[in-house]
Amino acid sequence: GAVVSQHPSWVICKSGTSVKIECRSLDFQATTMFWYRQFPKQSLMLMATSNEGSKATYEQGVEKDKFLINHASLTLSTLTVTSAHPEDSSFYICSAPWTGTSGNTIYFGEGSWLTVV
Amino acid sequence: AQKITQTQPGMFVQEKEAVTLDCTYDTSDPSYGLFWYKQPSSGEMIFLIYQGSYDQQNATEGRYSLNFQKARKSANLVISASQLGDSAMYFCAMRGLSGGSYIPTFGRGTSLIVHP
Repeated sequence: GAVVSQHPSWVICKSGTSVKIECRSLDFQATTMFWYRQFPKQSLMLMATSNEGSKATYEQGVEKDKFLINHASLTLSTLTVTSAHPEDSSFYICSAPWTGTSGNTIYFGEGSWLTVV
Repeated sequence: AQKITQTQPGMFVQEKEAVTLDCTYDTSDPSYGLFWYKQPSSGEMIFLIYQGSYDQQNATEGRYSLNFQKARKSANLVISASQLGDSAMYFCAMRGLSGGSYIPTFGRGTSLIVHP
């Protein structure tokens, strides 16, 4: 079945550095991918919609220059947290919608735990 | 705008019993999809079940069934014969047309604890 792979699962970085998180659709093409942030014991907060071949659409309150999203191909979207600070520490997870003969779903990557020290 | 409401922050159920997790939604789009996901402590989002707004029958997937009541705008998840491994957060989600694009909306989640 359709699978979305996200890497890395865990990352620790120093304050002020940048970190890139990759989201890949392994056996289907994803023209759209969604990036979420999740705080402990809370729901998923949509950060942006990644569109293949065009600029991402950011949700209100999300800093475009801090959270750079690139959707370079139909199977890869990346989220780069630039000049990371401890308050950026969080769980980030991507997803891609899929429509197949057996129905519709939104597949998620495994998620990435980011810790900024 | 579309909205998902999960009113149960936490639920407890005894092993082997059935449990219903509530979900109500609101949308002005006649075409939409409803999803349920399970999120264990590891963080991964596991797809459980899908119901399309035009589907005539309630969706079922193994021990999971979706009680879809369109007039009431509810899409409750029923887990039969609960297992200890079912303990997790459960999120109801909807994907419908909002602001010109199909963006998924998630509820706040329900924490389910299955005890022996």
